Amino acid sequence: GENVEQHPSTLSVQEGDSAVIKCTYSDSASNYFPWYKQELGKRPQLIIDIRSNVGEKKDQRIAVTLNKTAKHFSLHITETQPEDSAVYFCAARGAGGTSYGKLTFGQGTILTVHP
Amino acid sequence: NAGVTQTPKFQVLKTGQSMTLQCAQDMNHEYMSWYRQDPGMGLRLIHYSVGAGITDQGEVPNGYNVSRSTTEDFPLRLLSAAPSQTSVYFCASRTSGFGELFFGEGSRLTVL
Repeated sequence: GENVEQHPSTLSVQEGDSAVIKCTYSDSASNYFPWYKQELGKRPQLIIDIRSNVGEKKDQRIAVTLNKTAKHFSLHITETQPEDSAVYFCAARGAGGTSYGKLTFGQGTILTVHP
Repeated sequence: NAGVTQTPKFQVLKTGQSMTLQCAQDMNHEYMSWYRQDPGMGLRLIHYSVGAGITDQGEVPNGYNVSRSTTEDFPLRLLSAAPSQTSVYFCASRTSGFGELFFGEGSRLTVL
């Protein structure tokens, strides 16, 4: 089945700096890669996603890049703010075999933005 | 629009007891799933369903049963609770295709 590795596990930045979180996946057939943000005690919520036919997607201060050849994708947050502090999860959705339709998550990154 | 509703939010069980976590969605989503969240391990898929009457195993299915008799409901049953099942459980649903996965608020289960 699919395996998703996420790094780093913790990330601490100063307000205004950029933050980058990286993920790799194992199933080359995976075709959808969402990112979720989870605030303390809350449910995960989608912040941005990208499909396998797109290399980059941007939404205001958040961007995601995908390198299908290397099987890795990254989340970029610019001009970080204290309210960006949360746990971020990457995920990959399988497109074939026993992984079809299943969303596999990375281990999560705890992002702390210091004022 | 309630979205995905899970009950109970908190539960304490003794080893060997059984219980059912309830999940309901009002978005007419075909796909429903259960995840467990443990520190440092992300969200791991327990069971999922692509429609009424169809269920399948995820990454960590042992000790859990599910059924999908209606489109709206997807209960998760623990037949004989073990301390290793202490976790936060999330139900989630989406439409078919590339639809966003919507999560419930979570259920925190402690097994003593």
